Amino acid sequence: GQQLNQSPQSMFIQEGEDVSMNCTSSSIFNTWLWYKQDPGEGPVLLIALYKAGELTSNGRLTAQFGITRKDSFLNISASIPSDVGIYFCAGLFGKLIFGQGTTLQVKP
Amino acid sequence: NAGVTQTPKFQVLKTGQSMTLQCAQDMNHNSMYWYRQDPGMGLRLIYYSASEGTTDKGEVPNGYNVSRLNKREFSLRLESAAPSQTSVYFCASSDRGRANGNEQYFGPGTRLTVT
Repeated sequence: GQQLNQSPQSMFIQEGEDVSMNCTSSSIFNTWLWYKQDPGEGPVLLIALYKAGELTSNGRLTAQFGITRKDSFLNISASIPSDVGIYFCAGLFGKLIFGQGTTLQVKP
Repeated sequence: NAGVTQTPKFQVLKTGQSMTLQCAQDMNHNSMYWYRQDPGMGLRLIYYSASEGTTDKGEVPNGYNVSRLNKREFSLRLESAAPSQTSVYFCASSDRGRANGNEQYFGPGTRLTVT
């Protein structure tokens, strides 16, 4: 079945640093979504991507829909303590498939 | 708008007990979903309802039943709880009728422990 490989699994960075994470798959998707989950809460949608090559920003967050339709990237610039949480990618082709998540910790 | 709401927030059951998890959305979305989240496993789809009156199995449906009560409400029932069903359960909704309606919006979750 379809699977998403999300990396890295976890990151521990200094406040102010930039962050990059990505998701790859052997299958193609026609939509990529990026979510953030705070402890004890449900995932919150950050960015939605609908076209191969699309680059979309939401404040300090930038995400790209890979040109092959098999991958997507999320970058966070100038991280702050409230960026802490788990970031999930999700690819849609008929049904939504989630990555395993990237746990981000930010040291003030 | 409250978005997606779930009740209860926490629940402890003994093996063999039954319970129903409730979910409601006020965004007039057509589609609703139930997921479970386990450490290291990400989110796995249990059941979904593409529209009022329809339900379909997801990736891990065994041990669960669902009811799409109306457009707003979608419940998940555990008939005979097992320790393997200890998890965090999330309800989500989306408006698949729109061209860009693939985004799913999640509730706050129900944390279930089966002893």
